[in-house]
Amino acid sequence: EIVMTQSPATLSVSPGERATLSCRASQSVSSNLAWYQQKPGQAPRLLIYGASTRATGIPARFSGSGSGTEFTLTISSLQSEDFAVYYCQQYNNWPPRVTFGGGTKVEIK
Amino acid sequence: EVQLVESGGGLVQPGRSLRLSCAASGFTFDDYAMHWVRQAPGKGLEWVSGISWNSGSIGYADSVKGRFTISRDNAKNSLYLQMNSLRAEDTALYYCAKDMELSYWGQGTLVTVSS
Repeated sequence: EIVMTQSPATLSVSPGERATLSCRASQSVSSNLAWYQQKPGQAPRLLIYGASTRATGIPARFSGSGSGTEFTLTISSLQSEDFAVYYCQQYNNWPPRVTFGGGTKVEIK
Repeated sequence: EVQLVESGGGLVQPGRSLRLSCAASGFTFDDYAMHWVRQAPGKGLEWVSGISWNSGSIGYADSVKGRFTISRDNAKNSLYLQMNSLRAEDTALYYCAKDMELSYWGQGTLVTVSS
């Protein structure tokens, strides 16, 4: 099983600042990596797929990079609505087998 | 507009069974793989199971293998999860999600396993 490790567990950031979230895979997942945002009481929302492609309707301040085992989600200038938990997920396996990272909570500093 | 609506959750005793359903609309259902993902109260996301567009390829998390069965009915645009031998640790909000990138999610159905 591919293990996904996210860091840090919690990130304290001031509005307007840049946030950098990391995700590491225990083995290569190529570019089969997605990022999700989840707010309290809501279902997760897809932000990035293919490691770097923004999903429909996602603002340009969200960007993803990386391939293989190391990935990064960057939020260039945090808005109030961006404070949430972020998960990475790999989908490199077939038959379908998906794994999530443990999440990074982005909180207001 | 893509819509995924889960149903079938509830309170069930340990060892009993439950069947979840997910009704899909707004896209060509039989073009896409589908998944079940769960989230225990206050915890992170856990993938449960996935199924290819034609049911030819299926995967399960180790934690549910042998107890849960995923299926789909493309004629009814529906996804199912048969959950047997339920345990307290299966208590969670269960989401269905579309395609390998989990591009769309339902709002979830809550399963509580307790005596």
